[in-house]
Amino acid sequence: DGGITQSPKYLFRKEGQNVTLSCEQNLNHDAMYWYRQDPGQGLRLIYYSQIVNDFQKGDIAEGYSVSREKKESFPLTVTSAQKNPTAFYLCASSRGLNQPQHFGDGTRLSIL
Amino acid sequence: GEDVEQSLFLSVREGDSSVINCTYTDSSSTYLYWYKQEPGAGLQLLTYIFSNMDMKQDQRLTVLLNKKDKHLSLRIADTQTGDSAIYFCAESTNYGQNFVFGPGTRLSVLP
Repeated sequence: DGGITQSPKYLFRKEGQNVTLSCEQNLNHDAMYWYRQDPGQGLRLIYYSQIVNDFQKGDIAEGYSVSREKKESFPLTVTSAQKNPTAFYLCASSRGLNQPQHFGDGTRLSIL
Repeated sequence: GEDVEQSLFLSVREGDSSVINCTYTDSSSTYLYWYKQEPGAGLQLLTYIFSNMDMKQDQRLTVLLNKKDKHLSLRIADTQTGDSAIYFCAESTNYGQNFVFGPGTRLSVLP
């Protein structure tokens, strides 16, 4: 079955450490997205990519980085510059930027 | 800029109908969406409507769009306890950030 896979489901970060969240899709979608969700809050866009080797900052890109070397993959790195990284991170993909987005099951990141 | 608003909470009795409302500001929206999020999970696309339609029905779900008032609603008939979740309204456009989510409405279904 086609879908979006995020891993790991739970991740812990030590102070000063960079961590990378994985997102893989086999839907043959061109566009991919990363969102952050805080408890009781809506979604905030971190980064998005319309096509391979291209990505754009969203509303809260500071302290995060991404790459899009393959169509299927859009990893998110939470750097040590992100001072409040504890959140639920959601990856999504769509055929195009204004098409329905399909979501993975999320990664919950916590600070040790 | 684009903005999508929803009431944050709704409680209904099991078996009743639920109506979740959403307003948006961008008159050039192309599609409007409803997503469901259960605890600890990602968002599930429930249904969507093209902006030149005014109604779409899919089993227990009915979507109504009033383009003049920029108002979108989701009606869930015969609401069940399994419908308890957060429901997000979203719109997409052909420019700008392209996809904007509302804050979500937490639906609680009481026995």
